[in-house]
Amino acid sequence: EDQVTQSPEALRLQEGESSSLNCSYTVSGLRGLFWYRQDPGKGPEFLFTLYSAGEEKEKERLKATLTKKESFLHITAPKPEDSATYLCAVQAERNEKLTFGTGTRLTIIP
Amino acid sequence: NAGVTQTPKFQVLKTGQSMTLQCAQDMNHEYMSWYRQDPGMGLRLIHYSVGAGITDQGEVPNGYNVSRSTTEDFPLRLLSAAPSQTSVYFCASSYSGGFYGYTFGSGTRLTVV
Repeated sequence: EDQVTQSPEALRLQEGESSSLNCSYTVSGLRGLFWYRQDPGKGPEFLFTLYSAGEEKEKERLKATLTKKESFLHITAPKPEDSATYLCAVQAERNEKLTFGTGTRLTIIP
Repeated sequence: NAGVTQTPKFQVLKTGQSMTLQCAQDMNHEYMSWYRQDPGMGLRLIHYSVGAGITDQGEVPNGYNVSRSTTEDFPLRLLSAAPSQTSVYFCASSYSGGFYGYTFGSGTRLTVV
């Protein structure tokens, strides 16, 4: 069974204080690992897809990396508008199903 | 280009009532799916469709029905609502299984009393 574990559950940072969110996964044949951002009362918003170990992708202050067992979402010099819940999901080669983690709730304090 | 549109945004049902959650997308996406989101459990797949006329079960399909008569629409039907179906429901769509990311709707918050 595919599994995704995200840590920490919640993270509070001062504005400008860089940190990383972790996503550990087990899947039989990884097709892709996805990162989403979710604001309160809204649907998840797509950020990145990573396909193979060693791959990295960047968007503004966010950088996602992938190994064979985990992915990191690095946030550099965050701003209050980066406050959100960040979700990680994996998709196996064998089907279309996404398996989501429970997310990391990130709060950036001005 | 509206993306993925879900209606209604909020709904309260009594136990045993039935209803349909609507989902429509205008991006010509082949793949559509329904998820429910509950505190501490993450998003769980209910049903999905890889094209018009084709549907399949996800992780938690019991108590829900779907059909896909057009590319644009993918309604989710609750047959006989139960308090355990109180949740936030999201519809998502994508090209070709999500390689370019899934687009989610804004959700329907359902309460069953």
